[in-house]
Amino acid sequence: GAVVSQHPSRVICKSGTSVKIECRSLDFQATTMFWYRQFPKQSLMLMATSNEGSKATYEQGVEKDKFLINHASLTLSTLTVTSAHPEDSSFYICSALSARTVNNEQFFGPGTRLTVL
Amino acid sequence: AQTVTQSQPEMSVQEAETVTLSCTYDTSENNYYLFWYKQPPSRQMILVIRQEAYKQQNATENRFSVNFQKAAKSFSLKISDSQLGDTAMYFCAFMIYTGTASKLTFGTGTRLQVTL
Repeated sequence: GAVVSQHPSRVICKSGTSVKIECRSLDFQATTMFWYRQFPKQSLMLMATSNEGSKATYEQGVEKDKFLINHASLTLSTLTVTSAHPEDSSFYICSALSARTVNNEQFFGPGTRLTVL
Repeated sequence: AQTVTQSQPEMSVQEAETVTLSCTYDTSENNYYLFWYKQPPSRQMILVIRQEAYKQQNATENRFSVNFQKAAKSFSLKISDSQLGDTAMYFCAFMIYTGTASKLTFGTGTRLQVTL
């Protein structure tokens, strides 16, 4: 149980285009989902927290107009990188929190590697 | 703000030996959770072990155990009988318990290489 998927696993796009990444909780309802960014050989940096049916809460320094987050259902959150540029190339990881989870354990997706040419 | 420090960027251990990864954190909170996550080359984050700050007993999960020193704000991970599959990045993480969704703060990571 507690499986989180991400799609696509990797994507290559041209500069200026928009890219959507999906995060799904497959066997539980996720009241909250988190989006992280990880640069090569670095740690995970939280970008935003999204709750189902409400606006996402962005961390300081994260452009909410560039990284659009939609948490439309209890099993799906999407991250759209708008007008992507090479500096947006990174590894994006989502995690999900179940209302039934004890100890606030977050379940992580396998990540999406974005390359902007 | 909470900070998590891992002072060992890289470590190496021989198979079957024991290794300890260090982690310190800084917080003024009293109720929180501490975690160790493993990130193998596949990049999938895997929870290794969890410790609630209010528990004095150190958490143990098979070959993995922690040494939690609350006063010193230290949370080290000991891996016994190291296996080749333990090769990965290990992240120490901190979470304040607020009763609602709480954010994880990660350390910079320690790259562990298990050798033959």
